[in-house]
Amino acid sequence: GQQVMQIPQYQHVQEGEDFTTYCNSSTTLSNIQWYKQRPGGHPVFLIQLVKSGEVKKQKRLTFQFGEAKKNSSLHITATQTTDVGTYFCAGTQGAQKLVFGQGTRLTINP
Amino acid sequence: ETGVTQSPTHLIKTRGQQVTLRCSSQSGHNTVSWYQQALGQGPQFIFQYYREEENGRGNFPPRFSGLQFPNYSSELNVNALELDDSALYLCASSPRGEKTDTQYFGPGTRLTVL
Repeated sequence: GQQVMQIPQYQHVQEGEDFTTYCNSSTTLSNIQWYKQRPGGHPVFLIQLVKSGEVKKQKRLTFQFGEAKKNSSLHITATQTTDVGTYFCAGTQGAQKLVFGQGTRLTINP
Repeated sequence: ETGVTQSPTHLIKTRGQQVTLRCSSQSGHNTVSWYQQALGQGPQFIFQYYREEENGRGNFPPRFSGLQFPNYSSELNVNALELDDSALYLCASSPRGEKTDTQYFGPGTRLTVL
């Protein structure tokens, strides 16, 4: 079945440093969504990418969808303490519902 | 806040017992999906209900069952609880039941099985 893998599993940065998490699928995806889960909270939708090669920005966050629609990345420029949390990608393929990656947990040293 | 509510917040059960978790969807949404999130893992899709009918199921045994009511609220029932069922159970509502829908998650129910 479809699998979505994320790397790294953990990332610790100094405040102000950049952060990137990568998402890879074993199959071509119809779309990919990104969610953020704060410690003790629930996943909150960030963005959806649908087109091959699509790039979207939200302030300091940049999201990319690969040309083959099998991978995606989230890059945060100049991290702030409010960026702490676990970032999940989730993709769909064919008739299947959303499949989530295992997430990248970001911690920040102020 | 998403407007999705779940009850109870926390629950402790023993192995072999049965549990019912409840979810109220966001106003205007007719689809509810249930996910299991084990510690340190991503949410795993259990099943989805669209207009009171099951609309897809993940790789979970039949002892995980559900219902959706005419007001689009939903229940997740788990029979014969096992220790591995300990997890955060998340309910998410969406507007159309389509795979591209954004999932609006509730706060979750933390289930502990002893």
